[in-house]
Amino acid sequence: DGGITQSPKYLFRKEGQNVTLSCEQNLNHDAMYWYRQDPGQGLRLIYYSQIVNDFQKGDIAEGYSVSREKKESFPLTVTSAQKNPTAFYLCASRGDRQETQYFGPGTRLLVL
Amino acid sequence: DQQVKQNSPSLSVQEGRISILNCDYTNSMFDYFLWYKKYPAEGPTFLISISSIKDKNEDGRFTVFLNKSAKHLSLHIVPSQPGDSAVYFCAASAWGDKLIFGTGTRLQVFP
Repeated sequence: DGGITQSPKYLFRKEGQNVTLSCEQNLNHDAMYWYRQDPGQGLRLIYYSQIVNDFQKGDIAEGYSVSREKKESFPLTVTSAQKNPTAFYLCASRGDRQETQYFGPGTRLLVL
Repeated sequence: DQQVKQNSPSLSVQEGRISILNCDYTNSMFDYFLWYKKYPAEGPTFLISISSIKDKNEDGRFTVFLNKSAKHLSLHIVPSQPGDSAVYFCAASAWGDKLIFGTGTRLQVFP
């Protein structure tokens, strides 16, 4: 069953802690994306990767880091430098020569 | 500067009637437009898209219209059903680049 999975569904972060959100896809898509959604706002792009071992900053990359060591995986780390991490995080992927991005179910990050 | 705008944060429509969701954009380089539907605490689901070489695309109850001169697109849902109640996002891209999303319109379909 092809798709995009994100884990965990809920994640809690303590002050000064780094946390990593997982995103895996078995669609054989080249491009992967991380977005953040806040209440009443649209989706804002954090980081994206067009190909393995390469990634670019999006519009709100500060306080976040990513890696793309495998085609299937694009984990996002929310570092302690991100002062307002509470949000709903969405991962997406896009196939080659396609315009449409397909989204995972999301991870809600909460700060304790 | 917000390049994709959805000026109506909410819309309420009776079941069976038409729902019209609107989206405006400012970047004339956008050549591909999409609509996504999103339920709370879930990822957006792709609904329908349109290329800038077309002015209409239809898929079942969903039709997207593009007016390039006005830099405006709209999503029509006919007939509206209670299960259509969700937040709808429009998005645009230029030459396969990253998607730019609007802020969303919450549609409520009541009996």
